[in-house]
Amino acid sequence: DTGVSQDPRHKITKRGQNVTFRCDPISEHNRLYWYRQTLGQGPEFLTYFQNEAQLEKSRLLSDRFSAERPKGSFSTLEIQRTEQGDSAMYLCASSLRGTMSYNEQFFGPGTRLTVL
Amino acid sequence: DQQVKQNSPSLSVQEGRISILNCDYTNSMFDYFLWYKKYPAEGPTFLISISSIKDKNEDGRFTVFLNKSAKHLSLHIVPSQPGDSAVYFCAATATSGTYKYIFGTGTRLKVLA
Repeated sequence: DTGVSQDPRHKITKRGQNVTFRCDPISEHNRLYWYRQTLGQGPEFLTYFQNEAQLEKSRLLSDRFSAERPKGSFSTLEIQRTEQGDSAMYLCASSLRGTMSYNEQFFGPGTRLTVL
Repeated sequence: DQQVKQNSPSLSVQEGRISILNCDYTNSMFDYFLWYKKYPAEGPTFLISISSIKDKNEDGRFTVFLNKSAKHLSLHIVPSQPGDSAVYFCAATATSGTYKYIFGTGTRLKVLA
């Protein structure tokens, strides 16, 4: 399977705990995005990486959220001191800059977070 | 402020007929628009896109129309098939100045056999 993969697919945690999600983009893709999706809503942009550089971050992203892409390949999204409002589907997407289809993002299956 | 709006949460269409999904936007800086399809338990899948320099883009059974003056785009599916039943999201971005994509809330399409 050469698509975008995310791990874990499901995470249940207690309020106040830290969680970390991983995204493996399509191997040659240099653009990586994180989104959050809640019920009845579309994906909401969280942050964007071009290679290892985090170039844009949503103002909605609180200080409890941090993302990294250390070698320009996989990425991690960490949420510290989780709150019940963090319960959502977290989606990762990748695309390839420099091609005509650079705006076409390929999404992973998502990680569903439930905060009890 | 919802910059991309899909005002119809659901749509039912008979197999073989045309499905028309609508999307409105408010930000005049948006110059690239995309449609995604989402099945349950999967991430969204890219369907078709259009640049603001065009008013129509076609790919097989899917056609996207863009009316810049009305800040409106629509996705036409002809003929509709049961396998098209999914949630459809439109998304928009301004290709200079931001990397952010803004998604609408989605329209659930049901194609009846």
